[in-house]
Amino acid sequence: NAGVMQNPRHLVRRRGQEARLRCSPMKGHSHVYWYRQLPEEGLKFMVYLQKENIIDESGMPKERFSAEFPKEGPSILRIQQVVRGDSAAYFCASSPDTHSYEQYFGPGTRLTVT
Amino acid sequence: DAKTTQPTSMDCAEGRAANLPCNHSTISGNEYVYWYRQIHSQGPQYIIHGLKNNETNEMASLIITEDRKSSTLILPHATLRDTAVYYCIVRARGVTSSSNTGKLIFGQGTTLQVKP
Repeated sequence: NAGVMQNPRHLVRRRGQEARLRCSPMKGHSHVYWYRQLPEEGLKFMVYLQKENIIDESGMPKERFSAEFPKEGPSILRIQQVVRGDSAAYFCASSPDTHSYEQYFGPGTRLTVT
Repeated sequence: DAKTTQPTSMDCAEGRAANLPCNHSTISGNEYVYWYRQIHSQGPQYIIHGLKNNETNEMASLIITEDRKSSTLILPHATLRDTAVYYCIVRARGVTSSSNTGKLIFGQGTTLQVKP
């Protein structure tokens, strides 16, 4: 059973460009969480999605960031007009339902903004 | 989610038991204690969880005090590969409110260095 997959693993963008990060949850999992880890800092929750629905976006910056989890395909975290402060590792995690004890994390996408 | 307090760093000799403490004095009755770890640059990894009884799995043991205000994660025979940041997290299971949706709130954790 394949684990959580994220791609790309490394992404370099110039200031002002768009970044698209993809997360494929584990098979059978319909719940996805996105977390961000800034350099030398801890992990911060960003958004929680179920298929076609955003459940909790309390950790998402108000501007430039959006997330989706369509009925078919991976979850996408989209950052428009990237700035240097967006440079970070972005992790997604999946779980089969809201009552699962575990969240299974992917390897992360390292975004570098030049 | 309840706030947790962990030591910033700890050392452990290879082959010895690593005991990582966590204080969670404001834990609620429906909140579980979870432990995750993050090996350098990798995604976090679930280790173990418990409510009020001690728990053991193939990775570790979790000892929760009777009043549930603190707990200890025990790695019985630490290896160099156990060097990581260990996070103690308390949260309720499932979606219990608009602000408690199952997300994990990570603190700074304990950096465990296992030395040869």
